[in-house]
This record gives sequence, structure tokens and C-alpha cells, in this order.
Amino acid sequence: NAGVTQTPKFRVLKTGQSMTLLCAQDMNHEYMYWYRQDPGMGLRLIHYSVGEGTTAKGEVPDGYNVSRLKKQNFLLGLESAAPSQTSVYFCASRPHGSSSYNEQFFGPGTRLTVL
Amino acid sequence: GQQLNQSPQSMFIQEGEDVSMNCTSSSIFNTWLWYKQDPGEGPVLLIALYKAGELTSNGRLTAQFGITRKDSFLNISASIPSDVGIYFCAGRFVGSQGNLIFGKGTKLSVKP
Repeated sequence: NAGVTQTPKFRVLKTGQSMTLLCAQDMNHEYMYWYRQDPGMGLRLIHYSVGEGTTAKGEVPDGYNVSRLKKQNFLLGLESAAPSQTSVYFCASRPHGSSSYNEQFFGPGTRLTVL
Repeated sequence: GQQLNQSPQSMFIQEGEDVSMNCTSSSIFNTWLWYKQDPGEGPVLLIALYKAGELTSNGRLTAQFGITRKDSFLNISASIPSDVGIYFCAGRFVGSQGNLIFGKGTKLSVKP
């Protein structure tokens, strides 16, 4: 199992450009999440999905869109990048249920810089 | 929104020393988790707690779910250089949709 993978690992954008971050998991997990991590801020939830074809807003959704067309993939889109979106983005997934085996598994992150 | 207060923000300790960090909230939580993040990596789950008063160990790490359900602590005994990293608490509060809220992290540095 590869676990949770994220593409790309690094990206530099100019203000106004668009891009899509891809998250893939091979663990057949129902839930998937996108977080951003900024210095001193911890992890903040952007959007999440409780299953294929469903998405919902998290704590900081503005400026981002997501899609979950396939159970194993969760895409995060930036339509018009802004410098405030410079951050490290983490994807996570977990299966349904509540136990230590069902908690979130994180990907390695995507470091995005918007100039 | 809900917030977790994690302290201390950073710690500089000598190898072999014990470490203690904690998280508090203003709301009642039904789950407390502790994650570790190494530089350039995603967080990795260390310990999960689901019952008030629960005390759980994972090697040299011990975590407890506070009896008020509004706090949790993590202890690391006999620290070693590979303990270096950022430790995050996370939790689910009662009435939430099941999503996690994260503390801001405790950065641990260990001097050999």
C-alpha cells in the first residue's frame, strides 16, 4: 500500500494562476480531507468529503474548490491563486468508524508558494 | 470556531529528560489524539483516546484523556534525539460533525 499520496510536492504560482492538487489513497477510505498548515497556526480544515460524490466546507474554504469523483481521489483546486494561499497543504483520509485504527492518515504534503 | 490551546509552544531539553505537554479546550471533547510531525512530512498518529480518564501508552509516550473531557496531556519519558519534531493535539468535540480540530503544536528540540 502506498497510503496517501499527494501530487505535486512543490509548486510556485503567480498571483491569479490556477492549479489543482491531487490526493490519492489506496486504502478504500470513505472520508478524505484537505488541510492547510501555516507557521504557528496548526492544521486548518479547508474542505472534506464523507464519500464519493460528496464534499463539504471546512473552517477555511474560501478561494478553494474540491471534487471527489472517485472514492480514491480528492482534488483541491485554486481558481485564482493569491499570496495568502502560500502554505503547506496536507491531504488525509480515514475509514468509517471510531477507533485508533480509524483515525486520519496524512499524506506527505504539497508546499505551495504564490508570488 | 472551536479552538484548542496547546502548550508549551516550544521546548528545548537535554537527551534523557522527560517531557510534558498539554491541550485544553472550552468545549467537551469525545476524542483526543496526539500526532507527531517530522520536518517535511505529514503528521503521524501516536496515541488515540476515547474515554474520560483513559491513560494510554505507546512505548515511551503516555497520554491521558482528562476527566473533565476538556483537556489532555502527553508525556515523553527519557527523550532521545529522534523525538525531535512538532507534536500536535487534535480532538473532536461533542456535537461536531466528526471533524478534527488541531492545536497549534509544540516544537520539541533535544540536545544530545
